Amino acid sequence: EIVLTQSPATLSVSLGERATLSCRASQSVGSNLAWYQQKPGQAPRLLIYAASTRATGIPARFSGSGSGTEFTLTISSLQSEDFAVYFCQQYYNWPQTFGQGTKVDVK
Amino acid sequence: QVQLQESGPGLVKPSETVSLTCTVSGDSVSSDSYYYSWIRQPPGKGLEWIGNVYSSGSANYNPSLKSRVTISVDSAQNTFSLKLTSVTAADTALYYCARGLIKFQSTQHFDFWGQGTLVTVSS
Repeated sequence: EIVLTQSPATLSVSLGERATLSCRASQSVGSNLAWYQQKPGQAPRLLIYAASTRATGIPARFSGSGSGTEFTLTISSLQSEDFAVYFCQQYYNWPQTFGQGTKVDVK
Repeated sequence: QVQLQESGPGLVKPSETVSLTCTVSGDSVSSDSYYYSWIRQPPGKGLEWIGNVYSSGSANYNPSLKSRVTISVDSAQNTFSLKLTSVTAADTALYYCARGLIKFQSTQHFDFWGQGTLVTVSS
């Protein structure tokens, strides 16, 4: 099974700053990678799919890049509602797997 | 807007079977464009995919859980369900249901998730 390693585990960021999150796959997943946002008590929300395509209704400050084994989620200017856990998912190979998550908190 | 809502018992005794249901609104579980999944997250840990079910009723499961898991779909009720047998404390987790996209006959990302339901295994 493909292992996804996210880094860092916790990212402390100030409001308005850029946040850069990484997801590394143990083998190539092409562009078959998605990013989700998770907040306590809420349903996880799809942010990015196909590595770089924003989901419907997702603000332009969220962007995804990468292919193969290295992927990045960038939040260009952090807003208060963006403090959350972010996790990646690969759907290239069965079984689909998830990263352990990166928590973005207030610096 | 598509919504998914999990339901089931919050507390289960060891060795028993836990049954969870996901009610889908805003779409039909009979659609061939989507598949439906169960995913879980033990406290303080990452997400683990449990299995998928398709509109046809066919299902596939995580090999690590396959011997204990059954996922089924009920098109009349517009629900799908998870049954996990012989539970232990290691099965304590937040259980999510989710809808995934099917494209070119392959499973893609999840576009909608439920809020999750906590299942605690304890005597």
